[in-house]
Amino acid sequence: SYVLTQPPSVSVAPGKTARITCGGNNIGSKSVHWYQQKPGQAPVLVIYYDSDRPSGIPERFSGSNSGNTATLTISRVEAGDEADYYCQVWDSSSDPSFGGGTKLTVL
Amino acid sequence: EVQLVESGGGLVKPGGSLRLSCAASGFTFSNAWMSWVRQAPGKGLEWVGRIKSKTDGGTTDYAAPVKGRFTISRDDSKNTLYLQMNSLKTEDTAVYYCTTNFGHKAFDYWGQGTLVTVSS
Repeated sequence: SYVLTQPPSVSVAPGKTARITCGGNNIGSKSVHWYQQKPGQAPVLVIYYDSDRPSGIPERFSGSNSGNTATLTISRVEAGDEADYYCQVWDSSSDPSFGGGTKLTVL
Repeated sequence: EVQLVESGGGLVKPGGSLRLSCAASGFTFSNAWMSWVRQAPGKGLEWVGRIKSKTDGGTTDYAAPVKGRFTISRDDSKNTLYLQMNSLKTEDTAVYYCTTNFGHKAFDYWGQGTLVTVSS
């Protein structure tokens, strides 16, 4: 299956911008989706098809995808953004893949 | 409002069986592709399998670790998704989530999950 690589952890101060990367071979040619999971809760879709936001997700969340890296960007980070974030790809030629997850810590 | 409520989890011995259910509401269940995703304790997310809508053939696909042991089915008259798990192994221990695949490629909505523990 398609391998997605995420950094295990990212730390950011409140009010700053957090960037969480998701690496994969030519990932720019695929559609990437992002999920937020807070402790003890189910994941929530925050970005789909690289850069679209579901209703109810703040505009502070944005996504991009090019080359071998997709990026989830969280602007003006708040304490409530502290969570695990997962990227995901579902190629038509293979099973869906998740990245290993990135723990976002708000300092 | 989309709601997905899983049930049926519990403790089972290795080699045993369990059936999970997912009651869906707030959308036209019969038109939806649905998936199961699991998460082992302290680990990441792992796709288990998917079932398409009957209008799209109703076919199923499974991840390699569960193929031949797990079966996904649906009852559109009851708006319910099922996961039949046989020949359970200790490595199947996880929280199992029911999810929608409205766009076929992402997991749009998730249930709260149900814990399956496989242990002697």
